Parts: sequence; C-alpha cells; structure tokens
Amino acid sequence: KAGVTQTPRYLIKTRGQQVTLSCSPISGHRSVSWYQQTPGQGLQFLFEYFSETQRNKGNFPGRFSGRQFSNSRSEMNVSTLELGDSALYLCASSLIPNSQNTEAFFGQGTRLTVV
Amino acid sequence: GENVEQHPSTLSVQEGDSAVIKCTYSDSASNYFPWYKQELGKRPQLIIDIRSNVGEKKDQRIAVTLNKTAKHFSLHITETQPEDSAVYFCAATSLFGGYQKVTFGIGTKLQVIP
Repeated sequence: KAGVTQTPRYLIKTRGQQVTLSCSPISGHRSVSWYQQTPGQGLQFLFEYFSETQRNKGNFPGRFSGRQFSNSRSEMNVSTLELGDSALYLCASSLIPNSQNTEAFFGQGTRLTVV
Repeated sequence: GENVEQHPSTLSVQEGDSAVIKCTYSDSASNYFPWYKQELGKRPQLIIDIRSNVGEKKDQRIAVTLNKTAKHFSLHITETQPEDSAVYFCAATSLFGGYQKVTFGIGTKLQVIP
C-alpha cells in the first residue's frame, strides 16, 4: 500500500506570491490534516479535512486555506507569502477522524522557502 | 482548546543510559496520547501510544506512562542506542466539534552519544 505522498518536495517562492501544495493520502483514508513544522514551534496544526469538508482549523491567518477532493486528495494554498511562512509543511492521513485511537500517517513533507 | 507542553526541548544522553521526555495537557477530555519519532530528514512515525484507561504501556525498550489526574504523560527509553537519536513529539487527542483533534507538543531533540 503506497504511503502518503506530498508534492512538490521542495519549493522556493518570493514574497507576495502564492503557492499550492498537494497531498495524496493512503488509499482508503478519508481524513487529511495539515501541519506546519518550524524549528522553534514544532508541529502546528493548520486544518483537517474529511469528506471534502474542513472539520477543524488551527490558529493561522486566512492566507492559509485548503480543500479536499472527492478522491480524498487535499491541497493547501498559501497566498501573499511572507518570509515567516518558510517551513516544512506536513500532511497526515488517517482512516476515520472521529476515532480517538487513529494513527496518523505522515507524508515526507514539502519544504517551502520564501525569499 | 487543547494545549500540550513538552520538555525538555533538547536532551543528550550517553549510549546505554535512559531518556525521559515529559508532556502535560490541558483538556481533561483527551483520552488518546500517541508519540511520534522523526529522524533527520524523515517523516514523523508513530512509535507508541496509550489510551486513557491504561496507566502504562511497554514495547521493548520504550514505555509510556499516563497520569490522568495530573494530566501528564511521559516517554521512557531505556538502554538508548545511537539510532534512537531523533526528534520526539508527544500528542494529545481530544474531540473538537465532534471530530478528533490532535495537538502536538513542540518536540524534543534527543541525541544519544556513542
């Protein structure tokens, strides 16, 4: 069974631009969560999608948005990029979101650098 | 919402010694606590988890303890080896709006010195 796939792996953008990141969950997984990882802040929750609906949202500005398609693939978009958005963006998929015993499987991440 | 505090942020131990990482959580409704290990340049992977109806769980050299009253849980690694060097994240899972929400700690960078 293929794991969680994130594309692209690396991305360099300039301030003010926008970017779209993609995440394909493990086959059969319907929940996708996104996290921002930075050295000083650890893993910060961005949002979670299930059945094409955003179920939970973290404390990030509206520049960060996402969506989920009918095949459970998810995209994350960041508009008007700032230097502080440079980070590793990880997505994680899980089988069902309303179970509190569900392991999250992470992708390799997309390393975004804003210059 | 849930708040998870993790410490220490960095930990160095000699090979063969034990390592302990501690986390506290704020939401008393949280009842699932996974631990993830992230090796350098790799994705986080689940290494052990514990549910709130259990006080301790062991898997070879790794153990996790949970104190629900005090709202803290800990990861214990015994007989550490160089391959244990990684960043470890604790997490607490609670229901939010009818769906689970996972809140991670800030991470602990463990270095095992040969």
